[in-house]
Amino acid sequence: GQSLEQPSEVTAVEGAIVQINCTYQTSGFYGLSWYQQHDGGAPTFLSYNALDGLEETGRFSSFLSRSDSYGYLLLQELQMKDSASYFCAVMDSSYKLIFGSGTRLLVRP
Amino acid sequence: GAVVSQHPSWVICKSGTSVKIECRSLDFQATTMFWYRQFPKQSLMLMATSNEGSKATYEQGVEKDKFLINHASLTLSTLTVTSAHPEDSSFYICSASREGGNEQYFGPGTRLTVT
Repeated sequence: GQSLEQPSEVTAVEGAIVQINCTYQTSGFYGLSWYQQHDGGAPTFLSYNALDGLEETGRFSSFLSRSDSYGYLLLQELQMKDSASYFCAVMDSSYKLIFGSGTRLLVRP
Repeated sequence: GAVVSQHPSWVICKSGTSVKIECRSLDFQATTMFWYRQFPKQSLMLMATSNEGSKATYEQGVEKDKFLINHASLTLSTLTVTSAHPEDSSFYICSASREGGNEQYFGPGTRLTVT
């Protein structure tokens, strides 16, 4: 079967750094994406890793290790507006996105 | 570029009626569109994949006769929920991708409530 695992909830304080891990088991793999979703809104694209290593985009970075079927999203200098759900998603061999169950991030002052 | 719109943004309908949701790519041609459903506090579940001019491919467990998908042009796909029931109440989200592209651009979603 296909599965992605990520923590259900993470809490951090404003200004801190938080890492959200994702492990996956899928049929075929083209890349790992991360999406942010605020309550009531649609997912917004954050990052995509097709190759091993770290991709940095502003305060957000994403890492992939294909050999370990593992990736993470790193959020730095947390702000209150970062409180949201974060989903990892694998693009499988048929170009379909398989989403993880999501991690609710709560940023506290 | 790469803007996807959905209409309506929310809809309330009575049990037994049908509801059509439109998904449009506004500034690019979408050879493939995807339809997802998301229940509260849950993940996005892919319902079906549609390619322009061909029949949609439905995921296991999704009734194709209940969720009718049409992808008549490179900028428009529609999802019709037929004979809606309260358990069909959910957040329906579409996404679109360009030919040869692997990034999906998501629409803002449609919240369906069946009473």
